[in-house]
Amino acid sequence: ELKVEQNPLFLSMQEGKNYTIYCNYSTTSDRLYWYRQDPGKSLESLFVLLSNGAVKQEGRLMASLDTKARLSTLHITAAVHDLSATYFCAVDRGSQGNLIFGKGTKLSVKP
Amino acid sequence: NAGVTQTPKFQVLKTGQSMTLQCAQDMNHEYMSWYRQDPGMGLRLIHYSVGAGITDQGEVPNGYNVSRSTTEDFPLRLLSAAPSQTSVYFCASSLSQLTNQPQHFGDGTRLSIL
Repeated sequence: ELKVEQNPLFLSMQEGKNYTIYCNYSTTSDRLYWYRQDPGKSLESLFVLLSNGAVKQEGRLMASLDTKARLSTLHITAAVHDLSATYFCAVDRGSQGNLIFGKGTKLSVKP
Repeated sequence: NAGVTQTPKFQVLKTGQSMTLQCAQDMNHEYMSWYRQDPGMGLRLIHYSVGAGITDQGEVPNGYNVSRSTTEDFPLRLLSAAPSQTSVYFCASSLSQLTNQPQHFGDGTRLSIL
């Protein structure tokens, strides 16, 4: 059974600091996704990671994938308040309509 | 671009009532899915479809039915609403597997069962 675990589940950061969110999954998968959700809103796609060693960056966020370790990381550099949100990783079970999500990491960036 | 449109945005039902949550996409996406989001649980897959006429169960399908008669529409039916079905429901769609594109999510339907 495919399971996806994120940690930490809650993260309070100061502006300007760096931190990493971890996403572990239990079985082989072809694709890993990172999404952002603001309170009361829908999910916004951040990254799609397809292969071992894949690294993608957008602004202060960088995601990487290690398929051998079944681990993805989302690294936050010099956090700003606008990054406050809940971040989800998700893994597909062989079909893009069939995603398993982690429980999410609620990030709060404080001045 | 309309993207993924969900209706209604909010709904209150009484236990035992039935209703249909609507989902439509105008991007000619093959894949469509329904998820529910509960506090502390992330999103859990209810049902999904890989094309018109093809549906399958996800993690938590009990109490829900789906059909996919057209590429555009993927309604979710609650047969006999229960308080445990109080949740936020998201519909999502994506292109075929070959494109490796992410799922696009609708704005959600907030459903309360009394």
